[in-house]
Amino acid sequence: SQELEQSPQSLIVQEGKNLTINCTSSKTLYGLYWYKQKYGEGLIFLMMLQKGGEEKSHEKITAKLDEKKQQSSLHITASQPSHAGIYLCGAPQGGGYQKVTFGTGTKLQVIP
Amino acid sequence: DADVTQTPRNRITKTGKRIMLECSQTKGHDRMYWYRQDPGLGLRLIYYSFDVKDINKGEISDGYSVSRQAQAKFSLSLESAIPNQTALYFCATSDSDSQETQYFGPGTRLLVL
Repeated sequence: SQELEQSPQSLIVQEGKNLTINCTSSKTLYGLYWYKQKYGEGLIFLMMLQKGGEEKSHEKITAKLDEKKQQSSLHITASQPSHAGIYLCGAPQGGGYQKVTFGTGTKLQVIP
Repeated sequence: DADVTQTPRNRITKTGKRIMLECSQTKGHDRMYWYRQDPGLGLRLIYYSFDVKDINKGEISDGYSVSRQAQAKFSLSLESAIPNQTALYFCATSDSDSQETQYFGPGTRLLVL
């Protein structure tokens, strides 16, 4: 079965600093989702990557899927307190894009 | 109004009790899922349903059962709750006609004493 490992597990940064979260898969990815979760709340979809080398941005968050499709990175530029939360990567299983395996999450705290 | 709702949002119960968590969606999606989230373990799939007559076990279905009462409703039952079922439970939906992601409810926080 596919496993997703996220690093770091937790991160504390000063407001305004940049940061990167990584998601590494044990198998080639069909695609990769990034989600954000605020404490005690559901997951909010950020973006989906499908092609090797693909890069997408949403506001100050940029995600990239490497050429080999086994690793993705999420980069936040000029972090703000509103970026705080848990970031999870998820990989659709098989070609159906319906069953998703999730990483263990990265907890981000942004200090004002 | 939220597209995916879960009730209750919080529940405290005792070992051995039967409880039901409910999920409703207004997105018109045919596929629904139940996950649990534990610290350090991420989200794990309990059950999923690709339509009203299709129910499938996920990776951790032991101790749980589900019912898909209608396309919009998917409930999760703990027949005899045990303390290690204390977790945050999420319902999610998706559309079989698209490669869109799953949409999640706000979660139910369950504590089994």
